[in-house]
Order: sequence, then C-alpha cells, then structure tokens
Amino acid sequence: EAGVVQSPRYKIIEKKQPVAFWCNPISGHNTLYWYLQNLGQGPELLIRYENEEAVDDSQLPKDRFSAERLKGVDSTLKIQPAELGDSAVYLCASSSGSGNTIYFGEGSWLTVV
Amino acid sequence: AQSVTQLDSQVPVFEEAPVELRCNYSSSVSVYLFWYVQYPNQGLQLLLKYLSGSTLVKGINGFEAEFNKSQTSFHLRKPSVHISDTAEYFCAVQLSSGTYKYIFGTGTRLKVLA
Repeated sequence: EAGVVQSPRYKIIEKKQPVAFWCNPISGHNTLYWYLQNLGQGPELLIRYENEEAVDDSQLPKDRFSAERLKGVDSTLKIQPAELGDSAVYLCASSSGSGNTIYFGEGSWLTVV
Repeated sequence: AQSVTQLDSQVPVFEEAPVELRCNYSSSVSVYLFWYVQYPNQGLQLLLKYLSGSTLVKGINGFEAEFNKSQTSFHLRKPSVHISDTAEYFCAVQLSSGTYKYIFGTGTRLKVLA
C-alpha cells in the first residue's frame, strides 16, 4: 500500500515568490493534516481536514498561507508571498479518522533565499 | 492545555548500550501516546503507540515504552542500540476525544557512537 506522497521534495525560491506543495494521502484516509517543522523542532499543526472540510485551521497564517482539499482526497498548501522565515519542512499526514494513528509523508523542504 | 516535554535534546550512547529517551506530558483529559522516529531527510515514522491496556508497549526495531499514569510519563527504551538507530525521536500525545488534537514534543536526537 502506498504511503502519503508529497511533492516537490525540495524547493528553493526567492522571497516574495509563491510556492505550492501537493499531498496525496493514503487511500481511504479521510483525515488530512499539514504540519510545519522547523529545524530542531517538532511538527506543528497548520491545518486539519475531515474530508474536504477544514476543521482546524487556527494555526494557519491566513495572510499568506492557504490550503485546499477540493474533492476530499489530494490537498495543496500554498504560500504567497514567501518570506525568509518560511524556510522549513512542510509535512503532510493522513489518518483513517480523528483518533486514529497519523501517517506522515517524507516532507517538502522549502528554502527561501 | 496539553503539553509534551522531552527534556533531553541530545542523547549520545555507544553502540550495543541501552538507551532511554524521556517523555513527560501534561493533560487534563485522557490521551493516547506515541513515539515517532525521523531519519535524516525523511518524514516521521511511527515506532509505537499506547491507546489502552497493558502499559508496556512494544514497537518496531526493538523499541519499547512504558506508560506511567501517575508520573505522566511515556519513556522510550531499547536494551541494545545500533548505529542505524541514530535519528530524531519525537514523543506525541493525542486527545482521546473531542478534537483529537496531536501535540508533539521538541524531539530528542539519538546519536549512536561506534
């Protein structure tokens, strides 16, 4: 069974440019998460979806970050415009429901220069 | 509010020696407990989890953890480490009801020395 798939794995952009990350969760998992992981830190939740509904986006900086999960499967996380401080790993994860184990993708590593 | 504390940011240990990575949590409601491992340039992989039942939980790669409710701890142990165990280890708690929110600790870097 395929795991959580993320792309791109690595991205280098100049500040003020836009960037987008894509995630395909494990088949059948209706709960999808986007986490931010800074160097030397644990993951921090940005947004959680139940199917296509964002049920927790309280930590998402909505002035520059946006996310969507239009058909309740794949998801896209966008940053526009990117700032130097956005350099981090963006992790996508999924589970078969709230309360169940979360499975992570390998992450999208963003460097803003 | 819930929180997770991993007091040791780095733990160096010689190969074949035992290791314990400490995790303490704080929560006013019941929680599930997890340990994840992150190898360089990879995502997080589940090592083991405690949902209910026996307080001693065995996971992959020879790791085990013990849930201690009175001390609100969930320490990870391995009796004999290998070079390949060098990685970052994260403890996490999840609320067992309501929002089922996940909270991660700041991680412990295990460095296994030859």
